Amino acid sequence: DAGVTQSPTHLIKTRGQQVTLRCSPKSGHDTVSWYQQALGQGPQFIFQYYEEEERQRGNFPDRFSGHQFPNYSSELNVNALLLGDSALYLCASSLTSGSLLFGYEQFFGPGTRLTVL
Amino acid sequence: GEDVEQSLFLSVREGDSSVINCTYTDSSSTYLYWYKQEPGAGLQLLTYIFSNMDMKQDQRLTVLLNKKDKHLSLRIADTQTGDSAIYFCAERGAAGNKLTFGGGTRVLVKP
Repeated sequence: DAGVTQSPTHLIKTRGQQVTLRCSPKSGHDTVSWYQQALGQGPQFIFQYYEEEERQRGNFPDRFSGHQFPNYSSELNVNALLLGDSALYLCASSLTSGSLLFGYEQFFGPGTRLTVL
Repeated sequence: GEDVEQSLFLSVREGDSSVINCTYTDSSSTYLYWYKQEPGAGLQLLTYIFSNMDMKQDQRLTVLLNKKDKHLSLRIADTQTGDSAIYFCAERGAAGNKLTFGGGTRVLVKP
């Protein structure tokens, strides 16, 4: 089991550009959540996808959007990049059905480090 | 809204026990979690506790939950140098599926 994988590992963009980050969930998982972790801080919830729809969203602007594919993988898109978008972007996968038995565990990938210049 | 607070730093000698503390505000929290993050890496789930429990033990890890005071702690027995990392507590509210994280506690284990 490869666990949660994310690509790319690192990315450098300039202000105003657009970026797409990708995530493949752990085998058997059907739900993907995205978090932003600024340097020295805890992760902040961006949104969660289940059955190809956004199920819940945190306090992030519409510049942040996402997508989930039929194979449960997911993309995070950020438009009109700002310097403040520089962060580690973490993807977490979980299993919605039967989650009560497993504490709704979310397993995280290694993250994508985005630097905006 | 939800808020989770942790102390910033803990220094401990190898072989001693570490205790990391966390407080949260959401009285509807259903599950509480402890994650470990090593430099340059993602988050590793260590353990979790359901909100109707007050203790959970998993090998060297002991989680204590005081729901009345909204206080969570993680005790690591026989702390090793490999335990040096940042530890995050997180809570899952009843209203949704997101996790709310604290700011993290940096644990330094000295030989």
